[in-house]
Amino acid sequence: DADVTQTPRNRITKTGKRIMLECSQTKGHDRMYWYRQDPGLGLRLIYYSFDVKDINKGEISDGYSVSRQAQAKFSLSLESAIPNQTALYFCATAGTLDTQYFGPGTRLTVL
Amino acid sequence: EDQVTQSPEALRLQEGESSSLNCSYTVSGLRGLFWYRQDPGKGPEFLFTLYSAGEEKEKERLKATLTKKESFLHITAPKPEDSATYLCAVRNNTGKLIFGQGTTLQVKP
Repeated sequence: DADVTQTPRNRITKTGKRIMLECSQTKGHDRMYWYRQDPGLGLRLIYYSFDVKDINKGEISDGYSVSRQAQAKFSLSLESAIPNQTALYFCATAGTLDTQYFGPGTRLTVL
Repeated sequence: EDQVTQSPEALRLQEGESSSLNCSYTVSGLRGLFWYRQDPGKGPEFLFTLYSAGEEKEKERLKATLTKKESFLHITAPKPEDSATYLCAVRNNTGKLIFGQGTTLQVKP
């Protein structure tokens, strides 16, 4: 089984809808991250969490929110999706050595 | 401002033709330089971490090196299965990773 899983893997939705992307990990890491990847822009950090009670904004948090339900679970929500949120979304985890391990990604399309 | 620039954007090689990918960076207090491999439609896969100038790491046909301003990923006698996008990232003194845009490598048989 994969150490970092993301659901759904693909999602098509309409403008204005609320969407939740979920991430689970079995690596036992405290630190979890959400990134988006756009062609030509690389990976950009949306939110990160160093433990269950710690949530921090990344460089592009507007329009997004997160929830750290447990050490192993970190969810990303789009409260009211818009077309420019169409992207690949990746969850990552890191332990004490700070190397980040990525999930397989969610391809989100907002029409 | 912390910044990572990778070059070239795309690289085509013949199988067995060695080459290097470049990652230039400016960062406030380097806390590690990371190389990842990303296959189409998949998440980045960790390759190496380098922490100080002069450090080198190797894995199969890949060798990563680090200076105070840049890192190189050397690919020796590449095979078609080495085709992927290679991402470089630096960790700054606040703990955040700043990624470059990647180099897409295609190795033809």
